[in-house]
Amino acid sequence: DGGITQSPKYLFRKEGQNVTLSCEQNLNHDAMYWYRQDPGQGLRLIYYSQIVNDFQKGDIAEGYSVSREKKESFPLTVTSAQKNPTAFYLCASRTARGTGGADTNANEKLFFGSGTQLSVL
Amino acid sequence: QQQVKQSPQSLIVQKGGISIINCAYENTAFDYFPWYQQFPGKGPALLIAIRPDVSEKKEGRFTISFNKSAKQFSLHIMDSQPGDSATYFCAASLNTGNQFYFGTGTSLTVIP
Repeated sequence: DGGITQSPKYLFRKEGQNVTLSCEQNLNHDAMYWYRQDPGQGLRLIYYSQIVNDFQKGDIAEGYSVSREKKESFPLTVTSAQKNPTAFYLCASRTARGTGGADTNANEKLFFGSGTQLSVL
Repeated sequence: QQQVKQSPQSLIVQKGGISIINCAYENTAFDYFPWYQQFPGKGPALLIAIRPDVSEKKEGRFTISFNKSAKQFSLHIMDSQPGDSATYFCAASLNTGNQFYFGTGTSLTVIP
């Protein structure tokens, strides 16, 4: 079964602690994304990566870090510098632009994981 | 600032009725406009999408209407069902980049 797996589903962070959220995909997608979801604010981009060993900051990168050592993995670390980490975190992936063949919409489709709910103890 | 503005924030519709969610954008370089559906505790899933070269796209009970001159697009759900109760997000992406810009979401409740 192809898809995106996020773990854990629920995570609790103590003050001053760094925590890492896992995201793994077996869709052979080049681009991967991390979004934060807060009630009434939609999805806000934290980081994204288009290829291995490269990533860019999104709109709300402060207090977060990522790595992309393997194509299928894009872990997100919520550092102690993130003062309000309680949120639902979503990982997503898609193919690179221009690889969708005749269907120009195919490479635009974002596939999302089931999310990780992070709460502060 | 919010690149894509979505309304209403919440919507309650009777079973069998029409649900309408609206979005507006400013950046004319956007070239892809998807709608995502999200159930509680799950990630969003692509519902339907449109490009600016067409004014309407229909898939089953779901229709996107696109008004390029007004820079607006909307999702219409015909014959709304309780199973359609979910949060809906509109989005837009640029023709030169890899980022998606999401609206703030609409919580739809369809009552039997």
